[in-house]
Amino acid sequence: GNSVTQMEGPVTLSEEAFLTINCTYTATGYPSLFWYVQYPGEGLQLLLKATKADDKGSNKGFEATYRKETTSFHLEKGSVQVSDSAVYFCALRSYNQGGKLIFGQGTELSVKP
Amino acid sequence: GAVVSQHPSWVICKSGTSVKIECRSLDFQATTMFWYRQFPKQSLMLMATSNEGSKATYEQGVEKDKFLINHASLTLSTLTVTSAHPEDSSFYICSARDREGAGNTIYFGEGSWLTVV
Repeated sequence: GNSVTQMEGPVTLSEEAFLTINCTYTATGYPSLFWYVQYPGEGLQLLLKATKADDKGSNKGFEATYRKETTSFHLEKGSVQVSDSAVYFCALRSYNQGGKLIFGQGTELSVKP
Repeated sequence: GAVVSQHPSWVICKSGTSVKIECRSLDFQATTMFWYRQFPKQSLMLMATSNEGSKATYEQGVEKDKFLINHASLTLSTLTVTSAHPEDSSFYICSARDREGAGNTIYFGEGSWLTVV
């Protein structure tokens, strides 16, 4: 079945450091890929998405490129801020499974000033 | 923008009692709603998919008699945890699919913390 694997956390960075959170997936067909963010005490928010191969999703300085050849959707940001501290979830959605989202295990990011 | 509201945000109940969590789409119609459960520092686990006017589809390993899901209208789905036990304590999140939105966008509620004592 479909699955998503993320790098394990927690990830601790200093402010203005470069961030990469790896995400790889297994899926049949052509899934859409997403990154969600969960700030402390809040629900999930969609951060960015890509719906086809080579698409790049971007938002709030974060980027991720849909790489079909490596089945990856790594999240990157050039310069993180303390306010980026949160849990990040990679997810895929495949319409051959009723459109439900399949999540990775989440990666906790802690940014220190 | 589209908003999904969950209520209550926090609930504490006694072991053996039942508790209901509501999920409402406030400015769109949602033919499909999803219920997830999240244990501390773990990922979201899909519990069930709820389609308006029909029975929910439960994921493998989820007890349908314990986690009752009702989707009576296009804007409301409810999750009832029956005969709750401490191991049911968790963070429950619903999401709703906007059937009119571009790309069938899914929006999440803010979640409900359930503590069973």
